[in-house]
Amino acid sequence: GAVVSQHPSWVICKSGTSVKIECRSLDFQATTMFWYRQFPKQSLMLMATSNEGSKATYEQGVEKDKFLINHASLTLSTLTVTSAHPEDSSFYICSAYQGAYGYTFGSGTRLTVV
Amino acid sequence: AQTVTQSQPEMSVQEAETVTLSCTYDTSESNYYLFWYKQPPSRQMILVIRQEAYKQQNATENRFSVNFQKAAKSFSLKISDSQLGDTAMYFCAFIGGFGNEKLTFGTGTRLTIIP
Repeated sequence: GAVVSQHPSWVICKSGTSVKIECRSLDFQATTMFWYRQFPKQSLMLMATSNEGSKATYEQGVEKDKFLINHASLTLSTLTVTSAHPEDSSFYICSAYQGAYGYTFGSGTRLTVV
Repeated sequence: AQTVTQSQPEMSVQEAETVTLSCTYDTSESNYYLFWYKQPPSRQMILVIRQEAYKQQNATENRFSVNFQKAAKSFSLKISDSQLGDTAMYFCAFIGGFGNEKLTFGTGTRLTIIP
């Protein structure tokens, strides 16, 4: 089946530094990737939608200068949390759209900012 | 705007019993898809079952089945012969409208299977 590899699975960083999260579709081309944030015991909140070769579309209230999304190829999308602060600590999940309303999710990244 | 409501934050059931998780949605779209996703403690999102709105027949996947009531905008998930591995968060999700690829998730139901 389709697989999306998400790395790292967990990361701890110091306040003020930047962290990059990668999502790779291993056996299919993902023209569209969705990035979600999930707080403990809560649902997935869509942050942005990225399409290969174009700028990401951010949901209302999401700081695009803080959460930089790049989708330079059909198999790789990245989320960079810039100048991270403790309030950015969360669980981040990517989801690749396969077409025909099929989605494959990455395994998620737990980010802790200290 | 489309909304998805899951009114049961938590549920628990004895192993081997049957449990039903509720989901209602609101939309003005005529063509849409509904999903149930499972998120176990590993936090990997796993598709359980999906239903196309234009199909009258309820979807079934082994022990998992749905009761899709289009007029009532209801989409419940029934898990039969529940197993310990069914312990997870369950999210109902919706997507609708031509060209729309964004999933709208409900708030989730935490299901615990008791041995």
